[in-house]
Amino acid sequence: QSVLTQPPSASGTPGQRVTISCSGSSSNIGCNTVTWYQQIPGTAPKLLMYNNNQRPSGVPDRFSGSKSGTSASLAISGLQSEDEADYYCAAWDDNLNGFVFGTGTEVTVL
Amino acid sequence: EVQLVESGGGLVQPGGSLRLSCAASGFTFSSYWMHWVRQAPGKGLVWVSRINTDGSSTNYADSVKGRFTVSRDNAKNTLYLQMNSLRDADTAVYYCARGNGYNAFDLWGQGTVVTVSS
Repeated sequence: QSVLTQPPSASGTPGQRVTISCSGSSSNIGCNTVTWYQQIPGTAPKLLMYNNNQRPSGVPDRFSGSKSGTSASLAISGLQSEDEADYYCAAWDDNLNGFVFGTGTEVTVL
Repeated sequence: EVQLVESGGGLVQPGGSLRLSCAASGFTFSSYWMHWVRQAPGKGLVWVSRINTDGSSTNYADSVKGRFTVSRDNAKNTLYLQMNSLRDADTAVYYCARGNGYNAFDLWGQGTVVTVSS
């Protein structure tokens, strides 16, 4: 079950900045770190951001993350065609005693 | 090469059972928590289960609790998911993933397809 809410879609032209929001609650984002995953359709997800705003090695610095209260966001600056993918946020939920994912956002490069 | 390779998926009738495997290589498997995540056709990611490094602690999503069992064999560098009493709603691609110290899944397998249908 998805208890983290994301917009279903986002889009921009090459070079633009796109921001994806992730809304949760006090039992997940409010008290635990947020991670973000990128999934190109037909392939496995890839870790994009962890600990709210840390990029794994190899992830371009065009990607940035932030968290405030019970919400988080992922920003893509200088949008590129290869950024077309589905993006998911995730966090541990203390009430469910399990991980929860966001509903997912499809990013389109116009 | 650091990788996870799932196997064991297939077509099974409702009420049936299936065991998935995830073979790890290229890293010290016994040092990492491991997870299962699934994705139904055209849908989003759903966390299924996790297991700690020595297998003594497990957690499950409510939707699979009592039906699925996660286990591991550190000597064989392999993670398992025993799935019983399968339902149509369990149809999905099942991914195994490695957990890091920040509650993030930093390495994913390619996935194995499970189809529950009569």
